[in-house]
Amino acid sequence: DPKIIQKPKYLVAVTGSEKILICEQYLGHNAMYWYRQSAKKPLEFMFSYSYQKLMDNQTASSRFQPQSSKKNHLDLQITALKPDDSATYFCASSQETGYSGNTLYFGEGSRLIVV
Amino acid sequence: GQGVEQPDNLMSVEGTFARVNCTYSTSGFNGLSWYQQREGHAPVFLSYVVLDGLKDSGHFSTFLSRSNGYSYLLLTELQIKDSASYLCAVSWPNYNVLYFGSGTKLTVEP
Repeated sequence: DPKIIQKPKYLVAVTGSEKILICEQYLGHNAMYWYRQSAKKPLEFMFSYSYQKLMDNQTASSRFQPQSSKKNHLDLQITALKPDDSATYFCASSQETGYSGNTLYFGEGSRLIVV
Repeated sequence: GQGVEQPDNLMSVEGTFARVNCTYSTSGFNGLSWYQQREGHAPVFLSYVVLDGLKDSGHFSTFLSRSNGYSYLLLTELQIKDSASYLCAVSWPNYNVLYFGSGTKLTVEP
């Protein structure tokens, strides 16, 4: 059974619209992350959260907003979508941040195409 | 980011070995990780190293030289199913943030 569930697996969005990517983890971890992978770039860090608090943010644009309603949830809201936002968005978790943050468990990703 | 460089492709033969190289350029080094990623799937953690030397984990071994900004992942007794991309990632500026290389696509031939 998948321990990190991401929804939806695939979605197509229109430029200028808004989407929310869902992530739930059932590993009992306290730290969660978002990474992005596009065809042109390496896997790219976006956000890290620990106990529902933002720890690190490497995303320049405020169009990307993480939302954590529960400790095991970290959704990603993306507004004013652009074609360059097309990528696979991976949610990940680790037991804690800090040293154990190096061992990440990834979900299967949400593949977003913006047209 | 952080100058993490990997060769794009690598080919080897079943039953032999493959060495996937990774170089990085960063100060404040907090360790280096290796992940395996199959096409269309999520990365899977393989190994984390922070001290110099060889870390033997059986099928996968990892080497690190901090003074040279260099690491490699060694796969022995290759199987066809080892064909995948192997990603190197450096933790910087803290443990929470991983900077990944573009990955090396390993193809294992019969």
